[in-house]
Amino acid sequence: DVKVTQSSRYLVKRTGEKVFLECVQDMDHENMFWYRQDPGLGLRLIYFSYDVKMKEKGDIPEGYSVSREKKERFSLILESASTNQTSMYLCASNSGATYEQYFGPGTRLTVT
Amino acid sequence: AQTVTQSQPEMSVQEAETVTLSCTYDTSESNYYLFWYKQPPSRQMILVIRQEAYKQQNATENRFSVNFQKAAKSFSLKISDSQLGDTAMYFCAFGMYSGGGADGLTFGKGTHLIIQP
Repeated sequence: DVKVTQSSRYLVKRTGEKVFLECVQDMDHENMFWYRQDPGLGLRLIYFSYDVKMKEKGDIPEGYSVSREKKERFSLILESASTNQTSMYLCASNSGATYEQYFGPGTRLTVT
Repeated sequence: AQTVTQSQPEMSVQEAETVTLSCTYDTSESNYYLFWYKQPPSRQMILVIRQEAYKQQNATENRFSVNFQKAAKSFSLKISDSQLGDTAMYFCAFGMYSGGGADGLTFGKGTHLIIQP
């Protein structure tokens, strides 16, 4: 079974802090994704990566950056956290052979 | 850009009933994938069913089936013999065939399905 893990289930940070959300997948998938989930808005794509050190902006990249130094790991970085970044963050991965994405359990981030 | 619309924010049915969740989408692409994902209270997103646009036959997975109408750009999910464990948020999602799956999915806003005992 594909397993996608995220470093924290719950995280509380203060405004202005630098925040790192980590995601690791164990199925050698080429593609990895970060989504943000808000009530009534569904999931929105922040960034994605199709290879090590490669990244592409999604629909809402402002205020975020990403890093992919190893194939299995994809990090989401909030350079200076703000209260409007309080949300659920979901990581996903897939291979080009199957298209469906496999999701991690999510990190609920609260910025105070 | 693609859009996905789920017009039912919340639905409630009795256990053992059949329920249909609606999804429409808009795209100019001819080759694509459609998915239904389930997110129970545990928050883990689980793939329920997938449909390739080039396939005319509707996908089926046990109690879950879809009604895919390509011309109408409609992709509804039918759950037969609903069970308490089916209570969850259900998301319809669109994926482009081009790009080898490297593009992100476009999600609807979700339907909260409640199965009553």
